[in-house]
Amino acid sequence: NAGVMQNPRHLVRRRGQEARLRCSPMKGHSHVYWYRQLPEEGLKFMVYLQKENIIDESGMPKERFSAEFPKEGPSILRIQQVVRGDSAAYFCASSLNTLAGSYNEQFFGPGTRLTVL
Amino acid sequence: DAKTTQPTSMDCAEGRAANLPCNHSTISGNEYVYWYRQIHSQGPQYIIHGLKNNETNEMASLIITEDRKSSTLILPHATLRDTAVYYCIVNGGGSNYKLTFGKGTLLTVNP
Repeated sequence: NAGVMQNPRHLVRRRGQEARLRCSPMKGHSHVYWYRQLPEEGLKFMVYLQKENIIDESGMPKERFSAEFPKEGPSILRIQQVVRGDSAAYFCASSLNTLAGSYNEQFFGPGTRLTVL
Repeated sequence: DAKTTQPTSMDCAEGRAANLPCNHSTISGNEYVYWYRQIHSQGPQYIIHGLKNNETNEMASLIITEDRKSSTLILPHATLRDTAVYYCIVNGGGSNYKLTFGKGTLLTVNP
């Protein structure tokens, strides 16, 4: 059973370009989460998606960032007009359930390291 | 979500048990305690979780105090590959999907 897959593993962009990060959840998982890790810091929640729905995007910057999880295909985190401050590791996680009040075991992918020149 | 406090770093000899403490004195009744670890440059790896009772799996044991205000993750026989940052996370309720990672504890296993 393959784990969470992310690609690319490393991405280099110049300021002003677009970055597109992909995440394929574990088989059978329909809940996807994106986290960002700045250098020397812990992971910060960005967004929670289910198929075709954004459930919670409270951790997403208001501008330039968007996420989707279409009916078919991987989840995409898109960053438009990247700036140097967007340089970070972006991790995707997936889970089997998120029943309120229940536990939520998230499985993380290897991450995409974005470098903005 | 309740805040957690962990030591910044710890050392452990290879083959010995590693005991990683975590304080979560403001934990609510419906919040779980999770442990994840992050080996350098990799994604976080789920280790174990618990609510009230002690838990054990193939990776570790989790000891939760009776008042639930603190817990200890135990790696029974630490190996060099267990060197990582260990995160104690308290989470539950309606936003149980939003894991909050603090600074964690850097565990260094020495030969």
